[in-house]
Amino acid sequence: DAGVIQSPRHEVTEMGQEVTLRCKPISGHDYLFWYRQTMMRGLELLIYFNNNVPIDDSGMPEDRFSAKMPNASFSTLKIQPSEPRDSAVYFCASSLAGDRDAEAFFGQGTRLTVV
Amino acid sequence: GNSVTQMEGPVTLSEEAFLTINCTYTATGYPSLFWYVQYPGEGLQLLLKATKADDKGSNKGFEATYRKETTSFHLEKGSVQVSDSAVYFCALSDRRAGSYQLTFGKGTKLSVIP
Repeated sequence: DAGVIQSPRHEVTEMGQEVTLRCKPISGHDYLFWYRQTMMRGLELLIYFNNNVPIDDSGMPEDRFSAKMPNASFSTLKIQPSEPRDSAVYFCASSLAGDRDAEAFFGQGTRLTVV
Repeated sequence: GNSVTQMEGPVTLSEEAFLTINCTYTATGYPSLFWYVQYPGEGLQLLLKATKADDKGSNKGFEATYRKETTSFHLEKGSVQVSDSAVYFCALSDRRAGSYQLTFGKGTKLSVIP
């Protein structure tokens, strides 16, 4: 398996624009997580899904952020409108429900810069 | 709620020095504990894990022991190499208590100099 695949790797956008980050989890994994990493706050969980259903979105910073998982092999994180303070590295991770001690597998991240 | 506290870096060591990165946790249930490593420009990779008290996780010369009495999971390596330079994250999950996500510490940046 190719692992968790995220795209794009880098995104530079202007304030006010819509940004869409994409993630393909490992085939067969039924949990998918979106994390944000910044120097100030470290790694923060934004939202996670189980079997394509959002379970906990309490980490989503505000209504400008939304996430979807239309099927088991694809998820998006959208920011609309984007702001400079959204600049961060966004990670997607997936894991397997059946193994209660399972590790999460991370993608390489999307580095977002909002200017 | 669950939380992880780890020593903040950066930590700079000479090659072949001994490494300890402290990690303590707070959890409502009986968590599994993890160390992840992030090399520059990459995502996080699992380094080792332990799932019950007194378990020792080990990988690539790194070790950590699950200490329930002190709620700790300190990372150690006897002799570091330049290639160990990275950011290390301590984390927990507590699926048995219904918490499926990983809760991370803030990370410790390690630099190993020749």
